[in-house]
Amino acid sequence: DTAVSQTPKYLVTQMGNDKSIKCEQNLGHDTMYWYKQDSKKFLKIMFSYNNKELIINETVPNRFSPKSPDKAHLNLHINSLELGDSAVYFCASSQDSPSYYGYTFGSGTRLTVV
Amino acid sequence: QKEVEQNSGPLSVPEGAIASLNCTYSDRGSQSFFWYRQYSGKSPELIMFIYSNGDKEDGRFTAQLNKASQYVSLLIRDSQPSDSATYLCAAWPYNTDKLIFGTGTRLQVFP
Repeated sequence: DTAVSQTPKYLVTQMGNDKSIKCEQNLGHDTMYWYKQDSKKFLKIMFSYNNKELIINETVPNRFSPKSPDKAHLNLHINSLELGDSAVYFCASSQDSPSYYGYTFGSGTRLTVV
Repeated sequence: QKEVEQNSGPLSVPEGAIASLNCTYSDRGSQSFFWYRQYSGKSPELIMFIYSNGDKEDGRFTAQLNKASQYVSLLIRDSQPSDSATYLCAAWPYNTDKLIFGTGTRLQVFP
């Protein structure tokens, strides 16, 4: 059983399009995250939800909009895609705070904007 | 700006040797620290966490924490080619809801 699953795994799209990435976790965790990993492997947090409530909203263009319909799901919608949005996007979850147990990551979505 | 720094590598070690990976952090309020392993094209996988000063051992892995020096390290004994991956260090600053990651160190273990 996959603990944190993301779809799609690969996404190739043209500039200006709108796309969504979906994430689901079956760990019973309260908190879910979106991270962006650039070509240099740097993981930067974008958003975090705790039990459907937005708790972290980093400096991210407002073309990115997260939605959490329930605590097991966190989706990311991106409008008007740009070349610079190309990256790997990881969903992660943790039991409340990541203080002593860290995150469990999903398998990632490799987004390529052409 | 809370930061976690790592040497990007690559760190090349022969099979059977000890690989030593290092990480420093800027926020003295950081309470716990994590090492993730990431194979190429895969997601990060948690291999160790530590929150007390000193050493913590798990199999071939030992995490070391020195809060006074703001320094965390990961030792991998008897390194195997299958250990070749990028190792990400992460810190949890107290009273926050997120982990701060370093850029990772690429480890290459050659036969």
